[in-house]
Amino acid sequence: AQSVTQLDSQVPVFEEAPVELRCNYSSSVSVYLFWYVQYPNQGLQLLLKYLSGSTLVKSINGFEAEFNKSQTSFHLRKPSVHISDTAEYFCAVSLNRDDKIIFGKGTRLHILP
Amino acid sequence: EPEVTQTPSHQVTQMGQEVILRCVPISNHLYFYWYRQILGQKVEFLVSFYNNEISEKSEIFDDQFSVERPDGSNFTLKIRSTKLEDSAMYFCASSETGGTSGYTFGSGTRLTVV
Repeated sequence: AQSVTQLDSQVPVFEEAPVELRCNYSSSVSVYLFWYVQYPNQGLQLLLKYLSGSTLVKSINGFEAEFNKSQTSFHLRKPSVHISDTAEYFCAVSLNRDDKIIFGKGTRLHILP
Repeated sequence: EPEVTQTPSHQVTQMGQEVILRCVPISNHLYFYWYRQILGQKVEFLVSFYNNEISEKSEIFDDQFSVERPDGSNFTLKIRSTKLEDSAMYFCASSETGGTSGYTFGSGTRLTVV
């Protein structure tokens, strides 16, 4: 069965500094990968996804993630964070169109002024 | 932008009572899901629903849980006899093409069992 590991439960970073949130997955077959964001007291929003093709995917608010098959990783990066990026970020994986999405435990991004 | 709507946003219930959590998925979506998130913990899959039947359910989704799509728009989660450990945020989600397109989540229902 597939699984998702987010090793960092919390990442503090200064405003305007770069950030990387790590995600590794475990699966013996091809996967679809997602990053979801949960702002305080809100639901989950899809940030970006990798289905196939280019291994670098980008969101509209400056985040990007790169699928690395050899390292089974899908790390999320942003070159310069803003206070509004304060949220919990969940990496997630599914195997195919009929499969459920499995979430990692989440990483809380804490932006320092 | 289309939304998944969940009601109520917060429900408090006594242990042993039945609760029904309601969701209105996006109208052209075919796949429906319930997840839950116990405070401070990961988002856990409960059940997926496609073509008017359960396609998959987790170990959490025992006989106390049921789902229904009573009409063309609503998707409900019923917990027959709530327990303290059922206290969590419950998220409904829908998808046009299942796991490949990602889901659209509702804002959640916070269930508190006292």
